[in-house]
Amino acid sequence: GAVVSQHPSRVICKSGTSVKIECRSLDFQATTMFWYRQFPKQSLMLMATSNEGSKATYEQGVEKDKFLINHASLTLSTLTVTSAHPEDSSFYICSARLASGGSGSQFFGPGTRLTVL
Amino acid sequence: QKEVEQNSGPLSVPEGAIASLNCTYSDRGSQSFFWYRQYSGKSPELIMFIYSNGDKEDGRFTAQLNKASQYVSLLIRDSQPSDSATYLCAVIGPSGGSYIPTFGRGTSLIVHP
Repeated sequence: GAVVSQHPSRVICKSGTSVKIECRSLDFQATTMFWYRQFPKQSLMLMATSNEGSKATYEQGVEKDKFLINHASLTLSTLTVTSAHPEDSSFYICSARLASGGSGSQFFGPGTRLTVL
Repeated sequence: QKEVEQNSGPLSVPEGAIASLNCTYSDRGSQSFFWYRQYSGKSPELIMFIYSNGDKEDGRFTAQLNKASQYVSLLIRDSQPSDSATYLCAVIGPSGGSYIPTFGRGTSLIVHP
């Protein structure tokens, strides 16, 4: 299957700092990438849909000024959590969809575990 | 509002048995259906996808789709303890052309020796 990487895999930061998470599709081009957040023992929550070269579409309740998404190329999307606070501590997972079709398979990155002290 | 429903479980089956996981969806226009497996603390991994009515088999896994009844299921034959995980159902429909996937909350499967 297609490979999606995320970096870093784990980050611990102080409250008020910004954290950048990278998501890369390694062996395919992804016109669309998705960013999810998952709290312990809860389901995946879609935060935003990112399309290459255009602004991200955020889900209701997700602050676009706090969670900055940039999809600069067909293989890279970044999520920046600005002024992170302890309540932002979560497991952030990106996924990338093959460029071949809108209803195609999406593949997940390994996730980034963010802990804000 | 598109909805994808799964029984949260846990579903407990003995090793070697068939595990049956079910998922129902609300959007009749849905086109693509996916099953993901998620181990605790890890991200989801794609197991199977199905687009057409009927069965699709891949090794020990069989996905079944019934669009008329709006359900999709996953059967795991010869269940192993290593199959113990949360299984997520995902559905994609046109939704105005955006093709945003909707995930169920997942079913926890426990395969006991």
